[in-house]
Amino acid sequence: SQQGEEDPQALSIQEGENATMNCSYKTSINNLQWYRQNSGRGLVHLILIRSNEREKHSGRLRVTLDTSKKSSSLLITASRAADTASYFCATEGGSYIPTFGRGTSLIVHP
Amino acid sequence: EPEVTQTPSHQVTQMGQEVILRCVPISNHLYFYWYRQILGQKVEFLVSFYNNEISEKSEIFDDQFSVERPDGSNFTLKIRSTKLEDSAMYFCASTRSERETQYFGPGTRLLVL
Repeated sequence: SQQGEEDPQALSIQEGENATMNCSYKTSINNLQWYRQNSGRGLVHLILIRSNEREKHSGRLRVTLDTSKKSSSLLITASRAADTASYFCATEGGSYIPTFGRGTSLIVHP
Repeated sequence: EPEVTQTPSHQVTQMGQEVILRCVPISNHLYFYWYRQILGQKVEFLVSFYNNEISEKSEIFDDQFSVERPDGSNFTLKIRSTKLEDSAMYFCASTRSERETQYFGPGTRLLVL
């Protein structure tokens, strides 16, 4: 299975701090995506990074991809209480069907 | 910005009953998907649909499940005879091209009693 697994499972930080979440996977991928899910709500797409890319930015988000280590990281800088959510990585191989990990639960304390 | 919408937001049903979950994908999208997320677990792929037919399905998507695009806008998931273990959040997603980002709806929370 190529599924991503996030680490840590839970992360608790203070507002203003940076939050880093990691994702590891097992087989080759075409894309890796990060999604956010507020409690009991839908999935919001954050960033897609392709296998030939190493880093992407979107606002306060920075995603890196290391295909040699089969890992990705999501960095949220200057976190806010509103960033509290679960964050999932989803890997896509030949079929482009995303396979989700279990997620990292992020709590940002005001 | 266009969004995927799903109805109902919540549904409670008795075991053995049929349920139909509805989705309206983004209008110029061609690929449609259903996923489910059992409480506290990961999001799991159920089925993908393109050109009016199923293109891929997972082991979860057994004979109890069916999908349909009855008109030009709706995409439905039917569970023929619900089981307790079908209780989950069901997400619809759509994309213009299978290589592009999938956009997810807000989900339907299904509770089977």
